[in-house]
Amino acid sequence: NAGVTQTPKFQVLKTGQSMTLQCAQDMNHEYMSWYRQDPGMGLRLIHYSVGAGITDQGEVPNGYNVSRSTTEDFPLRLLSAAPSQTSVYFCASSLTSGSFGYEQFFGPGTRLTVL
Amino acid sequence: GQQLNQSPQSMFIQEGEDVSMNCTSSSIFNTWLWYKQDPGEGPVLLIALYKAGELTSNGRLTAQFGITRKDSFLNISASIPSDVGIYFCAGQRSGGSNYKLTFGKGTLLTVNP
Repeated sequence: NAGVTQTPKFQVLKTGQSMTLQCAQDMNHEYMSWYRQDPGMGLRLIHYSVGAGITDQGEVPNGYNVSRSTTEDFPLRLLSAAPSQTSVYFCASSLTSGSFGYEQFFGPGTRLTVL
Repeated sequence: GQQLNQSPQSMFIQEGEDVSMNCTSSSIFNTWLWYKQDPGEGPVLLIALYKAGELTSNGRLTAQFGITRKDSFLNISASIPSDVGIYFCAGQRSGGSNYKLTFGKGTLLTVNP
């Protein structure tokens, strides 16, 4: 298993540009989520999904859109990039049942800079 | 949103020393997880705790689920240079269909060889 994969690894955008961060998992996990990590702030939840066709907002959703058309993929869209969205973005996934339902597995991250 | 209170924020220790860090919350958590993040990488799960009072080990790491359900502790014994990184605690507040995790802000560990 490749686990959770994210592309690209690095990205530089100009203010106002849009882009999509890709996330895929091959563990058949129902739950997928996006976090952003900023210095001294820990990990903050942006959006999450408990299955294909179901998404919901997390703690910091403004400026981001998500969709979940398949179990495997959970892309994150930046609609109009702003410097405040400069961050490291992590995708994570987990099962939603059983003893291990809450153990989230993380991807390697996408490092985004908005100029 | 609520974040867990994780302490200390950073630690600088000598190789071979033991390390202790903890997380506290004003709310009850049903699950506690401890992650480690190496520079430039994503967090990796170290230990998961599911019952109040539970004590679980993973090699030189030992974690405990506090009896009040409002705290958790991580100990690292006989530290080595590869223990360097950021350690995060995470809690899952309620059961049922709520799978969201709340994270602490992390403890940055530096080990001097």
